[in-house]
Amino acid sequence: IAGITQAPTSQILAAGRRMTLRCTQDMRHNAMYWYRQDLGLGLRLIHYSNTAGTTGKGEVPDGYSVSRANTDDFPLTLASAVPSQTSVYFCASSPGTTDTQYFGPGTRLTVL
Amino acid sequence: GQNIDQPTEMTATEGAIVQINCTYQTSGFNGLFWYQQHAGEAPTFLSYNVLDGLEEKGRFSSFLSRSKGYSYLLLKELQMKDSASYLCAVTDSNYQLIWGAGTKLIIKP
Repeated sequence: IAGITQAPTSQILAAGRRMTLRCTQDMRHNAMYWYRQDLGLGLRLIHYSNTAGTTGKGEVPDGYSVSRANTDDFPLTLASAVPSQTSVYFCASSPGTTDTQYFGPGTRLTVL
Repeated sequence: GQNIDQPTEMTATEGAIVQINCTYQTSGFNGLFWYQQHAGEAPTFLSYNVLDGLEEKGRFSSFLSRSKGYSYLLLKELQMKDSASYLCAVTDSNYQLIWGAGTKLIIKP
């Protein structure tokens, strides 16, 4: 693989179900990010990790959790999905916190 | 609060020049990015400005005025493939990227 991959590409999920979105990068970037993108709104940061073993909350963290056990992987978990979490989710990474961010292809999630 | 403003949509003609403006009000400033996003795809990096002035990269140029909280992206010799959304983003004092909602650029033949 080269760059950032996300899985699944798309998913339809019943409300109340638990879901984990996967993100893997092979660029050895220290920082990783999860965003959601909704029509008419800018990208909004959900959670971030400046380096393996650390995570932080972004602008819209409620209902989401992350972990960063190693440099490459940064999964995003929805503990109990709600319809307002219907969105396109992008994972991104950067060498450092002020560097250019590179985005994965995105996951389109629909919660019914 | 933090705010980034861009026009929602612009239309231009193939071969012409278009300027997309971005104004920002953020807590601190540590750089401004422009990204391109084609429909259904991920954002891709176009340019970065941290000092005042113009950065030129082929057909694309980006300008920054920190005192005015203002940037623009200039696209020359427009091609049909330039039809996309253009996202302005500012790194704030906490080194987090604050994103504008994007400008949808429509290119007509």
